[in-house]
Amino acid sequence: DTGVSQDPRHKITKRGQNVTFRCDPISEHNRLYWYRQTLGQGPEFLTYFQNEAQLEKSRLLSDRFSAERPKGSFSTLEIQRTEQGDSAMYLCASSPRTGVVADTQYFGPGTRLTVL
Amino acid sequence: AQRVTQPEKLLSVFKGAPVELKCNYSYSGSPELFWYVQYSRQRLQLLLRHISRESIKGFTADLNKGETSFHLKKPFAQEEDSAMYYCALKAYSGAGSYQLTFGKGTKLSVIP
Repeated sequence: DTGVSQDPRHKITKRGQNVTFRCDPISEHNRLYWYRQTLGQGPEFLTYFQNEAQLEKSRLLSDRFSAERPKGSFSTLEIQRTEQGDSAMYLCASSPRTGVVADTQYFGPGTRLTVL
Repeated sequence: AQRVTQPEKLLSVFKGAPVELKCNYSYSGSPELFWYVQYSRQRLQLLLRHISRESIKGFTADLNKGETSFHLKKPFAQEEDSAMYYCALKAYSGAGSYQLTFGKGTKLSVIP
């Protein structure tokens, strides 16, 4: 499968613990996005990277949320001191900058987080 | 701030009947609209984008700037069209960055 991959697919944690999710974009895509999706809602934008630069992070939900893309390839999303309200599906997407499908976002399968 | 509204949470139609999934948007800039679809147990995937003006799987959508709408239509529904459909608006947020704002989605159920 050469699409966007995310790991883990499911994560159950206790309130107060830290969690980290990984996203591997399609290899030639230089743009990477994180979204959160809660039940009954559409995906909600969190943050955006172009190569290793995080160009938009104002939508991260709180200072407990952080994201990195150190070498412009894979990305990680970390949530510190998790709360029950953080339970959601976390989606990653990537897009190419140029070409016929420029800016078309390709989504990964998501990581489902459950905070007990 | 931009907003996307999908007024119907659930839409049920009979096989062979026409389908229209509604989407309205609010955005001060020049809009780019998309329809994404999520079939059962599959990831979210692009169905079509307005700038391509294409028909995918028999679906079409026309951007109506006067009514700020981007409704998704298909003349004859098929059972395999049953899925969750999301309308999305591409909005620029400065510094070379942009984001997609999604509606809450409409679940289409095609009755055999």
